[in-house]
Amino acid sequence: QQQVKQSPQSLIVQKGGISIINCAYENTAFDYFPWYQQFPGKGPALLIAIRPDVSEKKEGRFTISFNKSAKQFSLHIMDSQPGDSATYFCAAIVETSGSRLTFGEGTQLTVNP
Amino acid sequence: EAGVTQFPSHSVIEKGQTVTLRCDPISGHDNLYWYRRVMGKEIKFLLHFVKESKQDESGMPNNRFLAERTGGTYSTLKVQPAELEDSGVYFCASSQTDAEAFFGQGTRLTVV
Repeated sequence: QQQVKQSPQSLIVQKGGISIINCAYENTAFDYFPWYQQFPGKGPALLIAIRPDVSEKKEGRFTISFNKSAKQFSLHIMDSQPGDSATYFCAAIVETSGSRLTFGEGTQLTVNP
Repeated sequence: EAGVTQFPSHSVIEKGQTVTLRCDPISGHDNLYWYRRVMGKEIKFLLHFVKESKQDESGMPNNRFLAERTGGTYSTLKVQPAELEDSGVYFCASSQTDAEAFFGQGTRLTVV
């Protein structure tokens, strides 16, 4: 049973547009929700993260929106740039359980110039 | 400061052979994790070391997989004998207690 579901699988956006990636989770014990960015040939790197006590977190052009009642969260990339082209993974974790991450399937984002 | 490094970057082996993957975590990180991504699916947890002890190995697929972390430093993940379904990208990550996990670049394993 996949505990974190991510969509879309791939996304193509024009430069300057908004990229939106959605995730839904099952386990209500999750208490930390990070997003990872992965470039080809590199490992995933933490991009931004949120805890369920807030509904939104913004860092530069990246924003996480969190809906606890719907058990959904999403990543918004404003003013998308070609350099944002990468694979994005949402994840969830129960921090008291030993930091084991549960990932979504990933979204391949392509930003066209 | 060096990041998490993994060796080799790529490995192509025949079904039935043995492969050993290595991970060198960031110095001083007690927590070391192995994950695997198969065929564009989600990245799945395999196991977690705290220093040299296995804290959680519930994600290990079967007894063909053996992970070790001698002396609480580097770790190896051995697959013996390898099967076709073992193909994928194996990631290692390390962290200090309750801190961000840093990932290595991964080892792409292809079993033919």
